[in-house]
Amino acid sequence: KNEVEQSPQNLTAQEGEFITINCSYSVGISALHWLQQHPGGGIVSLFMLSSGKKKHGRLIATINIQEKHSSLHITASHPRDSAVYICAVDPNSGGSNYKLTFGKGTLLTVNP
Amino acid sequence: KAGVTQTPRYLIKTRGQQVTLSCSPISGHRSVSWYQQTPGQGLQFLFEYFSETQRNKGNFPGRFSGRQFSNSRSEMNVSTLELGDSALYLCASSLETSGLGEQFFGPGTRLTVL
Repeated sequence: KNEVEQSPQNLTAQEGEFITINCSYSVGISALHWLQQHPGGGIVSLFMLSSGKKKHGRLIATINIQEKHSSLHITASHPRDSAVYICAVDPNSGGSNYKLTFGKGTLLTVNP
Repeated sequence: KAGVTQTPRYLIKTRGQQVTLSCSPISGHRSVSWYQQTPGQGLQFLFEYFSETQRNKGNFPGRFSGRQFSNSRSEMNVSTLELGDSALYLCASSLETSGLGEQFFGPGTRLTVL
């Protein structure tokens, strides 16, 4: 079993829809990262969080440490949000392990 | 500030050769991590360096090695290349010192092994 599981693997939405991508992990962590990768390879860090909730523009990330679960929400989705979204964890609840373990990613396609 | 730069961007090698990839972090960032991305395995952690010290290493064979210089620039080397080493190699830098911190990724080096 992977340490980091994402769902769904693929997601197609219409412009304007509210989108949720889920990430579950099986080990204690010091932090969880949400990353975005557009076709062509470039990866951008969206959020790094260890508790609670963070918001940046139309993006919201939440984490529940007890349930070992995080969600990434996109409000008012737009075709430019089409990308692969990747969840990654720093797997050491006692402090950073200085490494990331990645989920397989969620391919999001937003149609106009 | 300039972002993370990686050179070369594309590389074609043959089996058995060795390759060196370079990564220049964002100015002031002392942590550099390396990752391999393949269609089959996705993103995998290779190693992380901070102030010239390797703090962690992923589950890769000894053919994969790296180092960091005093100016925080980092190189990774793969010896005796195999077809399966074809991948996108990404480096990321971070300002954080006590933990891994937010990762700022470079554009990657796409390595093709023939």
